[in-house]
Amino acid sequence: DTAVSQTPKYLVTQMGNDKSIKCEQNLGHDTMYWYKQDSKKFLKIMFSYNNKELIINETVPNRFSPKSPDKAHLNLHINSLELGDSAVYFCASSQALPRGNQPQHFGDGTRLSIL
Amino acid sequence: TQLLEQSPQFLSIQEGENLTVYCNSSSVFSSLQWYRQEPGEGPVLLVTVVTGGEVKKLKRLTFQFGDARKDSSLHITAAQPGDTGLYLCAGAQGGNKLVFGAGTILRVKS
Repeated sequence: DTAVSQTPKYLVTQMGNDKSIKCEQNLGHDTMYWYKQDSKKFLKIMFSYNNKELIINETVPNRFSPKSPDKAHLNLHINSLELGDSAVYFCASSQALPRGNQPQHFGDGTRLSIL
Repeated sequence: TQLLEQSPQFLSIQEGENLTVYCNSSSVFSSLQWYRQEPGEGPVLLVTVVTGGEVKKLKRLTFQFGDARKDSSLHITAAQPGDTGLYLCAGAQGGNKLVFGAGTILRVKS
């Protein structure tokens, strides 16, 4: 059983298009995240949700809109895709907010390539 | 400038050698985690250190948290090809998020 699953695994699309990435966790966790990993492997937080409530929005362009229909799902919609959006996007979850030592469980990533 | 600096960025060694990876910051962290990421997969947690000076061992991997909780190291003894991957440190500052270092890419040749 996959703990954190995200789809699609690969996404190749034209500049200017709108696309969505879906994420689901079956761990019963309260908190979910979206991270962006660039070509240099730097992993940066984009958003986090706790029990469907937005907790962190790390100055991400408003072309990126997360949506959490329930605490097991956190989807990411991206409007008007730009070349600089090419990266690997990771969804993650943790039992609670990472104030202390909460481990985060990551999906396998969505590789987004903008042509 | 990144909050967590990892060194070295790349490390290529022969099977059986020892190595140490460093994670440094000028900031204090309430805890620090180490993750390993293999190609095509997401990061997987290896360990969490919480107390200054704490040392944790995971088979051939030894993790240490600095006394001032600003830095950490990961030492691997007798490295094996299966240790190949990207090693990431991540610090929690109590602001509801983890801050990741840029990672160390380790390649162990057989």
